[in-house]
Amino acid sequence: EVQLVESGGVLVQPGGSLRLSCAATGYIFSTYWMHWVRQVPGKGLVWVSRINEHGTITGYADSVKGRFTISRDNAKNTLYLQMNSLRAEDTAVYYCARDVAGANDYWGRGTLVTVSS
Amino acid sequence: DIVMTQSPVSLPVTPGEPASISCRSSQSLLHSNGYNYLDWYLQKPGQSPQVLIYWGSNRASGVPDRFSGSGAGTDFILKISRVQAEDVGVYYCMQGLQTPYTFGQGTKLEIK
Repeated sequence: EVQLVESGGVLVQPGGSLRLSCAATGYIFSTYWMHWVRQVPGKGLVWVSRINEHGTITGYADSVKGRFTISRDNAKNTLYLQMNSLRAEDTAVYYCARDVAGANDYWGRGTLVTVSS
Repeated sequence: DIVMTQSPVSLPVTPGEPASISCRSSQSLLHSNGYNYLDWYLQKPGQSPQVLIYWGSNRASGVPDRFSGSGAGTDFILKISRVQAEDVGVYYCMQGLQTPYTFGQGTKLEIK
């Protein structure tokens, strides 16, 4: 059974840093692209970032470009999102999702990041 | 960036009746491989999103056949042939043609 489990979401002060993790099980992690998507509670979905199976191709939303870095460790079956220079508007639930044929077929349950002083 | 526009924003439906949601993109979503990179997702209350349709019209594994997707280029439609109570939630379209990927604002389907 495919499972994605996010972790690392906490309360952090503006300007701070955080690293989210997404542990993947139940499939060959190293053969799939992966995404991060976020959602302010009660609001819509916003795509954040993606990475190819080798970790050599990445993409970012304009709102996080230069502040967030997506990466992966295929040996550990884990996806990461390094978040720097955090702002209040980064407060959201962050989901990781697996990419198949350009669609996100499996999603984690999300981890809540709160940026506040 | 490609802008995705969904309508309606709210969709009250009587059980057993059909429903449709429109999604329009600001640029064509047709890839050189012939596929339209448009997906539909449903986020049920309190749950993570789940994929319904990919490449505009391909039903994802396990998705009931009452859900169908159509369209090409910039105009797409998600249809539910007979709405059931379990279909309530927010429906999103998303373009996966180019980064940044973008979602529509969502359509909230509720049961009358």
